[in-house]
Amino acid sequence: EAGVVQSPRYKIIEKKQPVAFWCNPISGHNTLYWYLQNLGQGPELLIRYENEEAVDDSQLPKDRFSAERLKGVDSTLKIQPAELGDSAVYLCASSLGGQPQYFGPGTRLTVL
Amino acid sequence: AQKITQTQPGMFVQEKEAVTLDCTYDTSDQSYGLFWYKQPSSGEMIFLIYQGSYDEQNATEGRYSLNFQKARKSANLVISASQLGDSAMYFCAMRALTGTASKLTFGTGTRLQVTL
Repeated sequence: EAGVVQSPRYKIIEKKQPVAFWCNPISGHNTLYWYLQNLGQGPELLIRYENEEAVDDSQLPKDRFSAERLKGVDSTLKIQPAELGDSAVYLCASSLGGQPQYFGPGTRLTVL
Repeated sequence: AQKITQTQPGMFVQEKEAVTLDCTYDTSDQSYGLFWYKQPSSGEMIFLIYQGSYDEQNATEGRYSLNFQKARKSANLVISASQLGDSAMYFCAMRALTGTASKLTFGTGTRLQVTL
């Protein structure tokens, strides 16, 4: 069974540029999560989807971050414009109901 | 609110020895789940083991076991017979099992180094 797929694995951009990350969850998993992991810290939730509905986006900085999961399967997280402080690893995870969350390899973003 | 505390920034263990990674938690939820994840240098978070707050038996998964002490609010991970491939960051996490609060709250992690 394929795991959570994320792309790209690495991204380097200049500040004020836009960037997008893509995630394809494990087949059949209805819940999808985007986490932010700063260096030396544990991941922190940005947004959680139940199917195509965003049910928890309280930690998403909505002035510059947006996300979508149009068909309830794959998802895109966008930052526009990126700031220096956005440099981090962006992790996508999925789960089936209340089962454990399974994570993708992450996208390491560097903003110059 | 939930909080996870991992007080060991780094740990060393010799190959084939057992090691305990500490985790304490704080929550007002009556029903919750505790998780351990491994994060190697490649970056992926790998699920290791789960313990429910109402489970009477400590969870075990192969060489991993969770020493759950509810009264002390601790959920330590024990790795037996350490292997070189166990070298990684280890994160303790928890989430409420009621309502729609499904997000995981993570600790700051413990870096484990297995030596020859």
